[in-house]
Amino acid sequence: DTEVTQTPKHLVMGMTNKKSLKCEQHMGHRAMYWYKQKAKKPPELMFVYSYEKLSINESVPSRFSPECPNSSLLNLHLHALQPEDSALYLCASSQGTDYGYTFGSGTRLTVV
Amino acid sequence: GESVGLHLPTLSVQEGDNSIINCAYSNSASDYFIWYKQESGKGPQFIIDIRSNMDKRQGQRVTVLLNKTVKHLSLQIAATQPGDSAVYFCAENQEAGSYQLTFGKGTKLSVIP
Repeated sequence: DTEVTQTPKHLVMGMTNKKSLKCEQHMGHRAMYWYKQKAKKPPELMFVYSYEKLSINESVPSRFSPECPNSSLLNLHLHALQPEDSALYLCASSQGTDYGYTFGSGTRLTVV
Repeated sequence: GESVGLHLPTLSVQEGDNSIINCAYSNSASDYFIWYKQESGKGPQFIIDIRSNMDKRQGQRVTVLLNKTVKHLSLQIAATQPGDSAVYFCAENQEAGSYQLTFGKGTKLSVIP
């Protein structure tokens, strides 16, 4: 298995909702990432988990809460989001710091 | 023609021609670089990478060139095909041993059949 799987592919949520994005990989990669991508912009790093521990939080608002239950799974819990949080949320994984990162297809999130 | 990945320029290429996509990076300490292809509605797809101790690396139909003197990275695609149409991003690991991969602004490649 050489893929990163993200679910759901599309999500529409209200500003008072709580939802979660899920990411899974079975490549044995020890680092997993959440990126946010707005239209026509490059992906921006949000969080990095290394060996299931949060190692980087790029000053992301607390309404985004990451979780790494085990080495294969990564979640992003969403609560009280704003319309400007609408974006493509990408999960990625890598074997280490200087190996190609494998990205999932993303979750297209719309906050209404 | 060539494009610099500082905005989101568009590069239009005739099918069968070679494409050159450029990227200027800012951090002389960056030691690892990756080119990604992103098609509409999909996540970035790894194309090729290069470490700072190399100047050139070749893959299938693609070549990456690294010029550390002027902090410039380029992706060459040989015999460009319609399926190559996408946005191409360069990405750099700005600190050795860091997990922080920073993306350039991207270049949109359009292949004319």
